[in-house]
Amino acid sequence: NAGVTQTPKFQVLKTGQSMTLQCAQDMNHNSMYWYRQDPGMGLRLIYYSASEGTTDKGEVPNGYNVSRLNKREFSLRLESAAPSQTSVYFCASSESSQYQPQHFGDGTRLSIL
Amino acid sequence: RKEVEQDPGPFNVPEGATVAFNCTYSNSASQSFFWYRQDCRKEPKLLMSVYSSGNEDGRFTAQLNRASQYISLLIRDSKLSDSATYLCVVIPTGGFKTIFGAGTRLFVKA
Repeated sequence: NAGVTQTPKFQVLKTGQSMTLQCAQDMNHNSMYWYRQDPGMGLRLIYYSASEGTTDKGEVPNGYNVSRLNKREFSLRLESAAPSQTSVYFCASSESSQYQPQHFGDGTRLSIL
Repeated sequence: RKEVEQDPGPFNVPEGATVAFNCTYSNSASQSFFWYRQDCRKEPKLLMSVYSSGNEDGRFTAQLNRASQYISLLIRDSKLSDSATYLCVVIPTGGFKTIFGAGTRLFVKA
């Protein structure tokens, strides 16, 4: 009963390096989301995909790109990592209709030196 | 002003106590409301949805006051296992741009 699976769990990068965070869900959900969580800030939405084939910006999209590869998978890419992107990243998914609660993966802890 | 505001706490309560958290939101067009629970270094997990009529799940009761734009969570008979951060979540009109509060820390002590 996997739910939402994120890889990797931990990553350390140097400034300027690129990487892709992977997310997959097995609940047949239409909508998927990427968040970052910083101390005292709560979760902030980076990008979301309401359905396969669509992506939209959230509150803090700068410095990130996303790809909705298929219904199951939604990846987040950092093209040129910066120390300000050090954070915990969570992927989530929700059922097809709007206003539904989201189910989260267990996060990726990313440090950028 | 933040779109969703919560008292960060921490709330320190003894086992068996009743504790209440409030959360205010600024967008009057908000449509859906939830409480999530997050344990240290873990992912947020849905605790319960919040409806205008109020709803209860065991020891937990959630209320929504649209006129005053706040939601509340009441925990009765607190257990040690209730120690966590409680996140208030609001989904405005549009349906996807979910807004999380920064969370309220709860410590339940024996």
